[in-house]
Amino acid sequence: GAGVSQSPRYKVAKRGQDVALRCDPISGHVSLFWYQQALGQGPEFLTYFQNEAQLDKSGLPSDRFFAERPEGSVSTLKIQRTQQEDSAVYLCASSDGTGRGNTIYFGEGSWLTVV
Amino acid sequence: KQEVTQIPAALSVPEGENLVLNCSFTDSAIYNLQWFRQDPGKGLTSLLLIQSSQREQTSGRLNASLDKSSGRSTLYIAASQPGDSATYLCAVSGSLQGAQKLVFGQGTRLTINP
Repeated sequence: GAGVSQSPRYKVAKRGQDVALRCDPISGHVSLFWYQQALGQGPEFLTYFQNEAQLDKSGLPSDRFFAERPEGSVSTLKIQRTQQEDSAVYLCASSDGTGRGNTIYFGEGSWLTVV
Repeated sequence: KQEVTQIPAALSVPEGENLVLNCSFTDSAIYNLQWFRQDPGKGLTSLLLIQSSQREQTSGRLNASLDKSSGRSTLYIAASQPGDSATYLCAVSGSLQGAQKLVFGQGTRLTINP
């Protein structure tokens, strides 16, 4: 596709349930990012991949959060034993280089509500 | 730890006015600063990127300035239009550790009234 695609767009999970959020970056993009955006707040960094290598996972809030990009393209963010504070929009972004000056393209996000 | 603040949190102006959105950051050791636009229920669209060595960038009716030493950036929107209504976010990229990640402000929610 032409842009970053995320699925599902909306997810309602019961507390304690595991969820998996998928990101399809723009084809050929080397860098992939996950951000978490709470309601009324700016996005907060979760993790960064360069191809299949997870180079920075400093923003993952707990060991319940896990991200992977095994073949250097599609990425999955998994949240285990969801809690209410995990309710947020999860944004995926990609860029075509590894430099910090490259344009970054965001998907429309996966909206997670934990009840 | 880098912190980014945007003022005001919300702004409502009549169509046609020129306006300024403000962004400040606590650590001047940045690599670049970006302004993004976010429409309701949508992702972010990059508007302007200013490298740390630059003072300003322009795109159409938008002009962004950067004063790295004072930790400030402004986004100037000329001749505002209802289609400019959105949330505007600024974000900085660090020059040292964690260089790839962006640190965002909370955003300014802008409403342009016809």
